[in-house]
Amino acid sequence: GENVEQHPSTLSVQEGDSAVIKCTYSDSASNYFPWYKQELGKGPQLIIDIRSNVGEKKDQRIAVTLNKTAKHFSLHITETQPEDSAVYFCAASTGGFKTIFGAGTRLFVKA
Amino acid sequence: DAGITQSPRHKVTETGTPVTLRCHQTENHRYMYWYRQDPGHGLRLIHYSYGVKDTDKGEVSDGYSVSRSKTEDFLLTLESATSSQTSVYFCAILGQGADTQYFGPGTRLTVL
Repeated sequence: GENVEQHPSTLSVQEGDSAVIKCTYSDSASNYFPWYKQELGKGPQLIIDIRSNVGEKKDQRIAVTLNKTAKHFSLHITETQPEDSAVYFCAASTGGFKTIFGAGTRLFVKA
Repeated sequence: DAGITQSPRHKVTETGTPVTLRCHQTENHRYMYWYRQDPGHGLRLIHYSYGVKDTDKGEVSDGYSVSRSKTEDFLLTLESATSSQTSVYFCAILGQGADTQYFGPGTRLTVL
């Protein structure tokens, strides 16, 4: 079946450093790629998304890149802060109706 | 939170008992989803609904049933709970843009 692989499963960085999370997808029909942040005890919250007609999107310290040929996309967080510590999920969708999620990355930002 | 509430937020039950989880939304969204979240597996789709009384199975539907008699409510039922159904359950809706899913706060279910 279709799947999304996400790496690494755990990432530890020093405050101020950058963090990169990578995902690959299998369904070539995927055209929408959201990223979610999940804090302890809460539901996943959308933080940024990108569509297949765009190669890169940035929102303050967060950026996402997409390589459709290679079927992979990445989340970049610059100048990390302790409040960035959370679990991050990537997802690939062929339209929101069908969305496949990665297994998640637990990010620790050490002060 | 896209106007999504889930109840109960926490539940402990015993093997073999029936359990119903409720998802309630206030913004008239057509599509609603139930996921379970387990370590190492991310979010896996159990069932979804595309309208009142219109539902379909996801990838992990065995042991679960759903009902949607009103637009605002989507119920998930475990007919006879098993320990393997211990998990955190999330409800989601499909936003008006028809591509982004928004999640509720979750229900932590423990089956002893």
